[in-house]
Amino acid sequence: GAGVSQSPSNKVTEKGKDVELRCDPISGHTALYWYRQSLGQGLEFLIYFQGNSAPDKSGLPSDRFSAERTGGSVSTLTIQRTQQEDSAVYLCASSDGSLRTDTQYFGPGTRLTVL
Amino acid sequence: GDSVTQMEGPVTLSEEAFLTINCTYTATGYPSLFWYVQYPGEGLQLLLKATKADDKGSNKGFEATYRKETTSFHLEKGSVQVSDSAVYFCALSDSGGSNYKLTFGKGTLLTVNP
Repeated sequence: GAGVSQSPSNKVTEKGKDVELRCDPISGHTALYWYRQSLGQGLEFLIYFQGNSAPDKSGLPSDRFSAERTGGSVSTLTIQRTQQEDSAVYLCASSDGSLRTDTQYFGPGTRLTVL
Repeated sequence: GDSVTQMEGPVTLSEEAFLTINCTYTATGYPSLFWYVQYPGEGLQLLLKATKADDKGSNKGFEATYRKETTSFHLEKGSVQVSDSAVYFCALSDSGGSNYKLTFGKGTLLTVNP
């Protein structure tokens, strides 16, 4: 079956604009994660969804960041009033969600560049 | 909080050389441990995992053993190939709570020359 997909693959925006990043997880996976990969900080956890609820938002760096998930499937990460420090690759992963040993499958990422 | 420390490299080896990438961790619970690999221009892929102490994960000639006494999960391969050139990430998923988020090390860039 299809893997995790993300869109767009690249996004260039101007400082102060809002952006939306989309993630389509593997069908049937109940758990969905967003991570950010940047040169300075490495790979950082942002938010975790189980179904449509987000019990852990502890990694979101500021209130400009938000995410939602609908129908237990597609998720959207929104960054408002983008800043240059938001430039990074945003990765989405999904897993079965029932066991701590479950493999997380990663999408190809969205490379965000804020000018 | 949880953390993962791995040698940052870069590591440059000749083909058929022996590879070790060190990884140590700090966790409050009983974590599962993972190695992920990112080939040039590609996404993160799981390379291997181990879920409890003394387990050995293996895949594609790579191995790592979960050592609770030394809180380590070092990655080894006996004979590397040019195609192994990639960035390798050590990660853990803690059993505390119901969130199985991954905590990653900084990554190690491996370059294998022919």
